[in-house]
Amino acid sequence: DIQLTQSPSFLSASVGDRVTITCRASQGINSYLAWYQQKPGKAPKLLISAAFTLQSGVPSRFSGSGSGTEFTLTISSLQPEDFATYYCQQLNSYPLTFGGGTKVEIK
Amino acid sequence: EVQLVESGGGLVQPGGSLRLSCAASGFTFSSYNMNWVRQAPGKGLEWVSFISSSSSIIYYADSVKGRFTISRDNAKNSLYLQMNSLRDEDTAVYYCARSALPYYYGMDVWGQGTTVTVSS
Repeated sequence: DIQLTQSPSFLSASVGDRVTITCRASQGINSYLAWYQQKPGKAPKLLISAAFTLQSGVPSRFSGSGSGTEFTLTISSLQPEDFATYYCQQLNSYPLTFGGGTKVEIK
Repeated sequence: EVQLVESGGGLVQPGGSLRLSCAASGFTFSSYNMNWVRQAPGKGLEWVSFISSSSSIIYYADSVKGRFTISRDNAKNSLYLQMNSLRDEDTAVYYCARSALPYYYGMDVWGQGTTVTVSS
């Protein structure tokens, strides 16, 4: 199975900060990586597909990059509505796996 | 409006069974692969099972293999998860989620989730 390691698992940031979350795969997954945002009590929301393709309606302050085994999600200027938990997911092979999550909280 | 609505969750004793349903609307259900994903209380997301649009391809997580069965009825726009031999560690919110097109784009539509509690 492919393991995904997200870092950090928790980060405290202020509105306007640039935030970067890393997701490392235990083996190469091409660019078959998705990023999700989840707010408490809500279902996950797909933000980015195939490592860097922004989903429709997702603000342009979100961006993704990487390929192979290392990927990043960047929020260029954190907004109040961005405080949430973020997960990466690999879709290269079954079983599909998620990273452990990164909780972004207000400093 | 594209929508997925889960139902069937509840409290069940260890060793018991439960059948979850997911009703799809607002899109051509028969054209999409579907998944179940769960989230234990305070924990991260765990993919549970996948079924292709025609039911010809099915995958399970090792943690549920042999106990859970995924199925779908395209005529009824519905997805199901039959859960047998339930364990405490199956306690979670269960989400149905649509596979995006192409498949490696992730899961683009999610239901609100249904809660399964396994406890004596």
